[in-house]
Amino acid sequence: GDSVTQMEGPVTLSEEAFLTINCTYTATGYPSLFWYVQYPGEGLQLLLKATKADDKGSNKGFEATYRKETTSFHLEKGSVQVSDSAVYFCALSDRGNQGGKLIFGQGTELSVKP
Amino acid sequence: KAGVTQTPRYLIKTRGQQVTLSCSPISGHRSVSWYQQTPGQGLQFLFEYFSETQRNKGNFPGRFSGRQFSNSRSEMNVSTLELGDSALYLCASSLGGEADTQYFGPGTRLTVL
Repeated sequence: GDSVTQMEGPVTLSEEAFLTINCTYTATGYPSLFWYVQYPGEGLQLLLKATKADDKGSNKGFEATYRKETTSFHLEKGSVQVSDSAVYFCALSDRGNQGGKLIFGQGTELSVKP
Repeated sequence: KAGVTQTPRYLIKTRGQQVTLSCSPISGHRSVSWYQQTPGQGLQFLFEYFSETQRNKGNFPGRFSGRQFSNSRSEMNVSTLELGDSALYLCASSLGGEADTQYFGPGTRLTVL
């Protein structure tokens, strides 16, 4: 079945450091890909998404490019802030499911120190 | 536009009891999905309702059930609670089309004693 694999955390960075969180997927169809973020005590917020190969999603300085050839959707940010400390989830939605079913990776906790 | 709301935010139950959780989607959204989040299993899909019909279902036992009303509000029910059902239950709403963004509520934290 479909699955998503993320790099294990926690990831600890200093403020203004470069961030990469790796995400790879396995899907039988042609999925849409998402990054969600969860702050302590809250639900998930969509960070960015991409629906086809070579699409680049971007938001709040975060970027991720849909790489079909490597089945990857790595999250990057050039300069992290303390306020970026949260848990980040990579997810996919297989087109055949008509939406409504997201498959998540295990999450990567990011801690940014001043 | 108001976001997804979930009630109650916190619940404490004992084994063997049943519980009902409620989710009100964003106005105009017809799809509601439910997820269970635990430290061990992560985020797992329970089921999705679209226009009052269950459209997708995850791999959970029949003790987990749901329904959707004509105003798109949804409820999730868990019967005969087990300790392992302790989790954060998240609902998400969307327009219901392919690749439509799902917007999540804050969750209901269920503790089973």
